[in-house]
Amino acid sequence: NAGVTQTPKFQVLKTGQSMTLQCAQDMNHEYMSWYRQDPGMGLRLIHYSVGAGITDQGEVPNGYNVSRSTTEDFPLRLLSAAPSQTSVYFCASGGSRRDEKLFFGSGTQLSVL
Amino acid sequence: AQTVTQSQPEMSVQEAETVTLSCTYDTSESDYYLFWYKQPPSRQMILVIRQEAYKQQNATENRFSVNFQKAAKSFSLKISDSQLGDAAMYFCAYLNQAGTALIFGKGTTLSVSS
Repeated sequence: NAGVTQTPKFQVLKTGQSMTLQCAQDMNHEYMSWYRQDPGMGLRLIHYSVGAGITDQGEVPNGYNVSRSTTEDFPLRLLSAAPSQTSVYFCASGGSRRDEKLFFGSGTQLSVL
Repeated sequence: AQTVTQSQPEMSVQEAETVTLSCTYDTSESDYYLFWYKQPPSRQMILVIRQEAYKQQNATENRFSVNFQKAAKSFSLKISDSQLGDAAMYFCAYLNQAGTALIFGKGTTLSVSS
């Protein structure tokens, strides 16, 4: 049981480049989400999904796109990377019950030069 | 909008001693969950303890316990018999009533000395 798998673990981009952070889970979770973690800021919600075909914005959605075509996958797209998007990105998934814990991926360290 | 505040950026404790990490939150919802997560240098997010707002009894998990004061919107974490492995960043988090957003505080870095 792999849990939540994020790829890549590290990425360096130049300003203006695009890329997709991948997230996959094998627990049949309906809920998936993306967070970014910046020093001194904690984790902030970017986008989330409550099922295939359903996505919504979190606290800091600007500059990011998401889609959810399958239950398993929830990719995060940066269309035109900016230095302000340098951060550690976490994907998380959870079951339908609110008292269940979220399962986090191991994170992606992204640097935009 | 809900907010979570951790007023202690850094805390320190000696092995075997007890330490309390503070957390306050603001919400107009009546039904929600609160969590404490631990993040060691490996970046892994580890659930430490959870509390349902409707439960008056404070949650306990081995050496970890909370002091949940709903009226004061306070949710502190007490770590007893501190161990070197407890050194990490600790995040307080609020799960909204819809269950769609986990809102984190900025974190408290805990160091443990021998």
